[in-house]
Amino acid sequence: QVKLVQSGGGVVQPGGSLRLSCSASGFNFRSYAFHWVRQAPGKGLEWVSAINYDGTNKYYGDSVKGRFTISRDSINNTLHLQMNSLTVEDTAVYYCARDEDAWGTYFFNIWGPGTMVAVSS
Amino acid sequence: EMVLTQSPATLSVSPGESATLSCRASENIDSLLAWYRQKPGQAPELVIYEASIRATGIPARFTGSGSGTDFTLSISNLQSEDFAIYYCQQYYGWPRTFGGGAKVEI
Repeated sequence: QVKLVQSGGGVVQPGGSLRLSCSASGFNFRSYAFHWVRQAPGKGLEWVSAINYDGTNKYYGDSVKGRFTISRDSINNTLHLQMNSLTVEDTAVYYCARDEDAWGTYFFNIWGPGTMVAVSS
Repeated sequence: EMVLTQSPATLSVSPGESATLSCRASENIDSLLAWYRQKPGQAPELVIYEASIRATGIPARFTGSGSGTDFTLSISNLQSEDFAIYYCQQYYGWPRTFGGGAKVEI
């Protein structure tokens, strides 16, 4: 069964850091690109970052560039998002999503259940 | 960045009726547009990709159309599970962008 299981969310103070993880199963992890998408409370979807099949190409939205880092671990079939210098505007549910190809050039066919990140003092 | 504008923001319909949602892109995106359905408290779910191809398991009452800058998602014979928020998303360029969403309510 194709599945994405997320972990790592929680409450963090402004300026703090958090690392999200997304564990994949049921398919060949190394063949696909992945994305992170977030949704602030009561708001729409915002694309955050993407990584291609082997981690050589990474993309970021302007709102997180320089603060967030996407990475992947093909030994453990896990996608990560390292989030630094967090602000209250980063408060959201974060979803990982699998692209339909290796380069991240398609749509998002498989989504994780989401994990909540709350930035608050 | 490519801006996607969805309309209407909210559509009120009765079960069994039809709904038509619009998504307009700020520049040409060919047919590289997807639609997602998000039920309350759940992750989004792919409904349509490449503007008009139904995703696996999506019933034929969902129809996507359009190319270039203007796109439409039509849903006929609305069922209870169709009352949700729908987002369009372009995968023509970076950054990937979503429309603001359209809520289909009873």
